[in-house]
Amino acid sequence: NAGVMQNPRHLVRRRGQEARLRCSPMKGHSHVYWYRQLPEEGLKFMVYLQKENIIDESGMPKERFSAEFPKEGPSILRIQQVVRGDSAAYFCASSLFSPNEQFFGPGTRLTVL
Amino acid sequence: AQTVTQSQPEMSVQEAETVTLSCTYDTSENNYYLFWYKQPPSRQMILVIRQEAYKQQNATENRFSVNFQKAAKSFSLKISDSQLGDTAMYFCAFMKLANQAGTALIFGKGTTLSVSS
Repeated sequence: NAGVMQNPRHLVRRRGQEARLRCSPMKGHSHVYWYRQLPEEGLKFMVYLQKENIIDESGMPKERFSAEFPKEGPSILRIQQVVRGDSAAYFCASSLFSPNEQFFGPGTRLTVL
Repeated sequence: AQTVTQSQPEMSVQEAETVTLSCTYDTSENNYYLFWYKQPPSRQMILVIRQEAYKQQNATENRFSVNFQKAAKSFSLKISDSQLGDTAMYFCAFMKLANQAGTALIFGKGTTLSVSS
């Protein structure tokens, strides 16, 4: 049973470019969460999605960031016009139902030059 | 708003010894879950143990156990017979329940644990 998959594992972008981070939840899981981890800090919640719906986006910056979880395919976290401050590790987690423990992917390390 | 505090940025322990990591949280909720996650150098987040607030019995998973004090809002993790592979950053996390549904995890800043031989 494959775990949560994230790709790419490492992503380098120049300021002003777009970053797309993908997350495939564990098989059968319909709840997806995105978190951001800045250096030397804990994870901070960004957005919670179920299939085709955003349930809670209270942790996501209002501008440049968006997320989706379509009926088919992975969840996507999109960052437009990246800035150096977006450099961080972005983790996706999924759960079978809610509430339940969340299982994390390996993360995507975004570096903005 | 809920907050999670881990007051020990770093700890070290010798192999085979026991170590306790502390965590306190602040909430006005009555129904919630608490978790400990481990993040080794690979940076993969691994669930160590979970505790439902309505359960009085402390959770245990092999060498890992918690001391859950609901009134004091304290949730410490005890690691017995420490092993080199336990070296990692440990995060305490809180999840409130809303309408019986789970919500996002709120993490503490973490404790870096080093196990030496």
